Amino acid sequence: NAGVMQNPRHLVRRRGQEARLRCSPMKGHSHVYWYRQLPEEGLKFMVYLQKENIIDESGMPKERFSAEFPKEGPSILRIQQVVRGDSAAYFCASSAGVPHNEQFFGPGTRLTVL
Amino acid sequence: KNEVEQSPQNLTAQEGEFITINCSYSVGISALHWLQQHPGGGIVSLFMLSSGKKKHGRLIATINIQEKHSSLHITASHPRDSAVYICAVRSFQGAQKLVFGQGTRLTINP
Repeated sequence: NAGVMQNPRHLVRRRGQEARLRCSPMKGHSHVYWYRQLPEEGLKFMVYLQKENIIDESGMPKERFSAEFPKEGPSILRIQQVVRGDSAAYFCASSAGVPHNEQFFGPGTRLTVL
Repeated sequence: KNEVEQSPQNLTAQEGEFITINCSYSVGISALHWLQQHPGGGIVSLFMLSSGKKKHGRLIATINIQEKHSSLHITASHPRDSAVYICAVRSFQGAQKLVFGQGTRLTINP
């Protein structure tokens, strides 16, 4: 039973390019969460999705960032026109939902913007 | 003031010592998580608590809901326990998202 999968593990982009980060939840999980860890900072919530729905995007920057979790396939976090400040580790977690709702984390994608 | 505060921020100890990491939070919660992040960066969920105490191997986690406080203990610490330990809470109002402490960097010397 594979855990949460994220790819790529490392991503290098130049300023102005687009970054697409993928997350495949654990089997049987339909809830996905994206978190960001800036260098030398703690983890911060970005967005919570269920299949085909964004439930809570209160942590997403208002511009350039978007997320989706389609009916088929992985969840995608998309960052348009990346800037150096977007360099961070992006973690995805998944859960089976209520009532237990323990979140299991993926290995993260480390984005470096040159 | 952060909703979740951990102490200490850094902790260095000798192999075999008993370790305690503390977490205080300021909101009503439905659950509290203890996570471990190794130098490679991956995050492992150690415990999820809503009351009382849980034990797994040499790790023990306790929570006092009335005092809004949790502790993570490591008995007979070992160099492989060296990592960053992170407390995270799921608040009633925040629905499902986690709010994280800044982490405690633990170093166990042989």
